[in-house]
Amino acid sequence: DQQVKQNSPSLSVQEGRISILNCDYTNSMFDYFLWYKKYPAEGPTFLISISSIKDKNEDGRFTVFLNKSAKHLSLHIVPSQPGDSAVYFCAAYTNAGKSTFGDGTTLTVKP
Amino acid sequence: EPEVTQTPSHQVTQMGQEVILRCVPISNHLYFYWYRQILGQKVEFLVSFYNNEISEKSEIFDDQFSVERPDGSNFTLKIRSTKLEDSAMYFCASAETQGTNEKLFFGSGTQLSVL
Repeated sequence: DQQVKQNSPSLSVQEGRISILNCDYTNSMFDYFLWYKKYPAEGPTFLISISSIKDKNEDGRFTVFLNKSAKHLSLHIVPSQPGDSAVYFCAAYTNAGKSTFGDGTTLTVKP
Repeated sequence: EPEVTQTPSHQVTQMGQEVILRCVPISNHLYFYWYRQILGQKVEFLVSFYNNEISEKSEIFDDQFSVERPDGSNFTLKIRSTKLEDSAMYFCASAETQGTNEKLFFGSGTQLSVL
């Protein structure tokens, strides 16, 4: 049972345009959600989080939207930059810190 | 910026041997985690640790696994008798808080190869 799904394994966008990465979950008990960025041979890097009681959180070029009724969250990056090219994971957390990661989406931003 | 450090970066071991993966979390952090990523697969949660005890663990974290914070700075993951399927990149992470304000910092990982 895959509780967190990122249905797009890859996404390619042009520099300066918006990147939208999607994530769906099935467990309504998740308390908060985090997005991470990962380069090869490195650990994940925290990007942005959102509590289950909010529907939007913004930090610079990154905005995360949460639709609880649809059990869906999305990460918007605007404007996209070539340095944003990486694998992006969404992760859902219980309030005890147990997390479930999605499979990841590989974002390629073309100059 | 402070960082989580993991040693060794690569560990090769024979099946059935014990391994200890070491991590030094960020000094004022209170919450500690181990994750793993098998090649080509997703990042998987193993265990969370707070106040010198396990808070949560996944189905992967069976009796072969244990964690310890032996001296107030190190956080270790021990695998008692390694199996081939334990080959993966193991990531340590730490956080100052837990919950909606959590910001998790990851180390660069230890690549474990079980032969």
